[in-house]
Amino acid sequence: QLQLQESGPGLVKPSETLSLTCTVSGGSINSSSYYWGWIRQPPGKGLEWIGGIHYSGSTYYNPSLRSRVSISVDSSKNQFSLKVKSVTAADTAVYYCARRELPEYFQHWGQGSLVTVSS
Amino acid sequence: QSALTQPPSASGSLGQSVTISCTGTRSDVGGYNFVSWYQHHPGKAPKVMIYEVNKRPSGVPDRFSGSKSGNTASLTVSGLQPEDEADYYCTSYTGNNILLFGGGTKLTVL
Repeated sequence: QLQLQESGPGLVKPSETLSLTCTVSGGSINSSSYYWGWIRQPPGKGLEWIGGIHYSGSTYYNPSLRSRVSISVDSSKNQFSLKVKSVTAADTAVYYCARRELPEYFQHWGQGSLVTVSS
Repeated sequence: QSALTQPPSASGSLGQSVTISCTGTRSDVGGYNFVSWYQHHPGKAPKVMIYEVNKRPSGVPDRFSGSKSGNTASLTVSGLQPEDEADYYCTSYTGNNILLFGGGTKLTVL
């Protein structure tokens, strides 16, 4: 059974870089059939697609976040990671990692990781 | 890109049906048959209920159905049950591997 688990600091200071890792178990990240993605939900707001990555390294980002976001993959560890630079309070959210079934839906999700941006 | 437009709230009585709309443009909803719907209970991970406009993943009750007309997709929940009370989000493929979520609809079962 495929499982995804987010990990990383729960508190980040303004202007710093938010870093999260998603560990995949029960299946390989090295599949051409899927993308691996990040989605977030700020408190009291809706879901927002951040971006995704293919095991080959191809990346795709939400145009509104592209200048501050990077996603990478480490196939040897069956992990993929998210970095958001120059964070503000608006980046406070529950961050989910998920496996994207091509082309458009997420079947498997992590439980979510709350990241708070505050000094 | 603006979020797809969903009504903030919807409601229906136990056993009745309710339909939630998701309006986009011809660059997203209207241009592709790649619309999916998610059910999200607070504190849990979202769950896909419909993908590719009208397909149900294994395990999703057939009370959930999807459709699309022009730039608007719809999710219909028939025979409303208490456990259907949740937030619902649509999402659409927009080309170039970009996805767009709707703003979400809070469904209340009366």
